[in-house]
Amino acid sequence: QPVLTQSSSASASLGSSVKLTCTLNSEYINHIIAWHQQQPGRAPRYLMKLESSGRYNKGSGLPDRFSGSSSGADRYLTISNLQSEDEADYYCETWDSDTRVFGGGTKLTVL
Amino acid sequence: QLQLQESGPGLVKPSETLSLTCTVSGDSIDRTTYDWGWIRQPPGKGLEWIGSIYYSGRTYSNPSLKSRLAISVDTSKNQFSLQLGSVTAADTAMYYCARHMYHENFDSWGQGTLVTVSS
Repeated sequence: QPVLTQSSSASASLGSSVKLTCTLNSEYINHIIAWHQQQPGRAPRYLMKLESSGRYNKGSGLPDRFSGSSSGADRYLTISNLQSEDEADYYCETWDSDTRVFGGGTKLTVL
Repeated sequence: QLQLQESGPGLVKPSETLSLTCTVSGDSIDRTTYDWGWIRQPPGKGLEWIGSIYYSGRTYSNPSLKSRLAISVDTSKNQFSLQLGSVTAADTAMYYCARHMYHENFDSWGQGTLVTVSS
């Protein structure tokens, strides 16, 4: 089954950019993933779907500051012009046959 | 606008069965496009997919929970439900319901409900 690997934490300064990584195991290198954001004390929120080509499809109302890209087995979420409200946990998700999995999540701190 | 709302007891005793319901508004659960899923998150930990159901009643679930799990749907009430048997403290978590298309990502989440397993 697919496995998603994420760094446990990341940090960046207010107004700067950060690139979060989600890595698929090699057998699933071409899989589509999705990114979700979970702000402190809140339910997750769908951000975008991201293909192996780098094409992404954002959820409704998501600011242009959020973008996606891909390279090999890596799927990236880039957040530009970081705001305080971007401080959150970010999870990637994928699926195969009748299985769905999440990465372990990355805790983003905005300095 | 789609809304999903989890409901059920917040406290369950060890060895008993955890039962939750997700009520869907703003969409019809028997629309053929979507599946409906359950996800949980233990305190301070990450997300774990529990299982999903299609309006026809077809279910698929996390192999690690399958032996204790039942998911059902009630199209007349626009609800789907989760039952997890023989619970232990390890089942203490925030439980979320969410919508997805088969072979697509979750795109809408409920607010979640905290279930604590304790005597």
